[in-house]
Parts: sequence; C-alpha cells; structure tokens
Amino acid sequence: QKEVEQDPGPLSVPEGAIVSLNCTYSNSAFQYFMWYRQYSRKGPELLMYTYSSGNKEDGRFTAQVDKSSKYISLFIRDSQPSDSATYLCAMSVSGSARQLTFGSGTQLTVLP
Amino acid sequence: DSGVTQTPKHLITATGQRVTLRCSPRSGDLSVYWYQQSLDQGLQFLIQYYNGEERAKGNILERFSAQQFPDLHSELNLSSLELGDSALYFCASSVDGFSSTEAFFGQGTRLTVV
Repeated sequence: QKEVEQDPGPLSVPEGAIVSLNCTYSNSAFQYFMWYRQYSRKGPELLMYTYSSGNKEDGRFTAQVDKSSKYISLFIRDSQPSDSATYLCAMSVSGSARQLTFGSGTQLTVLP
Repeated sequence: DSGVTQTPKHLITATGQRVTLRCSPRSGDLSVYWYQQSLDQGLQFLIQYYNGEERAKGNILERFSAQQFPDLHSELNLSSLELGDSALYFCASSVDGFSSTEAFFGQGTRLTVV
C-alpha cells in the first residue's frame, strides 16, 4: 500500500463547476500538506501549502486538511478551462522539500 | 517560468549507455533536488544537494549519481541504463535545504531508453 493514495481520474467537468480533489495517507507523522499543479509537458508548480489541520483559501482554491481522518482535499470553485492539468498532492514530515511524498496525481479536464 | 533550467529536454539512448542531465537552479537558491516521475511510481525523490554537498538521499539507484558544482548547477548521471529508467527527471530548487517546503521545479528531461 502506498503512503499517499490519490484517485488518478481522469476527471472531466464543465466550466464553472466546483471540483473536489482528494488524497488519503497512512503516515500520521505528516505535518505539511501541499497541492501541486502540473500542466502537460511542464514541471509541477506549488499551488497551495497547509501546515497541520485546517482550511486555507486562495482565490478560487481551498485546501482542507483533516489529520484525524488522514484526508486532504482541494476544492476549485468556478473552474476554468485553464485549470485543466494534473493535480498532485504532496506531504512532508519535516517541511523540507526533500521529504515530499507525492500522490500519483489526478488528471482534470474542464470543458468549455 | 519557474527559473529552474534543465537540459536537455529530451534524450533518447540505448540500454547500457550513460547519460548526464543538467540543472541550473533559480538565482539565489542553494538547494537542488532531483526527482523521477514514471507512470507506475509517480514522482519520487532521488537526491538533494545543498551548497555543493549531498544533503539527503531518497530512492536513488546505485547506478545513478549526482553532484552540485561551485556555481550551484547540478548534474544527474545515469549509467548502465535499463528500459525501466525511461521517465521524466525533474530538478527542483529552493532557497535553503532545511525548512523550505516551496521547491520550484524545472520543466524536466524526458529520458527514453530503447
């Protein structure tokens, strides 16, 4: 069993929809939780970063962490075709980038 | 553009060969990380260098090695290549090598072993 599980999708939604992306994990020591976005033929870029449990909002994006359930989510409101990408969750015990454990990624397509 | 530069973008080579992938970190970043992304394993951390010294190792094979030079660019050397080494290899950099979680990724080198 992988430390971080992520539904690979693909997920296809109409423009304007609310998108929910999720990851579960098994290592209770994870303290830092991130979401990366990866466009085709590009490197991952950091989208959201959360420490411990709670919510964080940035524009149309909201990240939620529930450590008791070992479950994290990323919500995208008013989704746009430009949001079409692969979304990777990542987690870390120490906060250092060297210890990032990534999910396998969810491929999202937002249809105009 | 993340500011991290990787060359070459694509590489096709035969089994048993050796290749070198190059990475220039963002200006001011001291730490460089190498990751491998394959379809079956996802993104996996290989190795980290900080200011010229190896800082941490992940799932890096013995056939692979890396170094970081005084000008902070880094090279990842892959030898005795096998078909299973075909993957995207990413370099990332961050300001420090200790607490900084925000790593900026390059566009990757796509390695195909035939």
